[in-house]
Amino acid sequence: GQSLEQPSEVTAVEGAIVQINCTYQTSGFYGLSWYQQHDGGAPTFLSYNALDGLEETGRFSSFLSRSDSYGYLLLQELQMKDSASYFCAAYNYGQNFVFGPGTRLSVLP
Amino acid sequence: DTEVTQTPKHLVMGMTNKKSLKCEQHMGHRAMYWYKQKAKKPPELMFVYSYEKLSINESVPSRFSPECPNSSLLNLHLHALQPEDSALYLCASSQDIYNEQFFGPGTRLTVL
Repeated sequence: GQSLEQPSEVTAVEGAIVQINCTYQTSGFYGLSWYQQHDGGAPTFLSYNALDGLEETGRFSSFLSRSDSYGYLLLQELQMKDSASYFCAAYNYGQNFVFGPGTRLSVLP
Repeated sequence: DTEVTQTPKHLVMGMTNKKSLKCEQHMGHRAMYWYKQKAKKPPELMFVYSYEKLSINESVPSRFSPECPNSSLLNLHLHALQPEDSALYLCASSQDIYNEQFFGPGTRLTVL
């Protein structure tokens, strides 16, 4: 089977740094993506890792370790608008894409 | 144009109705997707079209029928749906498979 695990909820204050972890168990793993979804909105792409290591895009960074079947999304200088659900998504060979259960991030003033 | 559009935004239908959801993109993307999302759950992949050919059908019931008339358009035909099919239906596109996916705003479907 294919499964991904993420914490269900994370809470942090404005200006802080938060890390959202994702572990995966999939067959034919190709890469790991991260998406943000605000309540009532559509998912928005944040980052993608096909290779091990860190990818940085502004305040967001994402990391992948294939040997550990593990990745994380790092959000820096948190803002209130970052309150949303964050999904990791495994891209697998065979054009199969599986989303994790999502982590609801609450940013407090 | 860097967006994916979906119509209608909301749809209410009875179990005996036939309706269609539409999705359009003008970014020249060659891969298009249908996802189903229930409240507080992740999107679930239903179908993938790559270069206008259906390449993934994730064991979706036959009451859902996808169609890709051309590289910019994607339809999802609905027939004899069940109340449990009520959900947000999301369309997405990407330049190619394994690239960043751009999602449309979704169609919120209610089956009575």
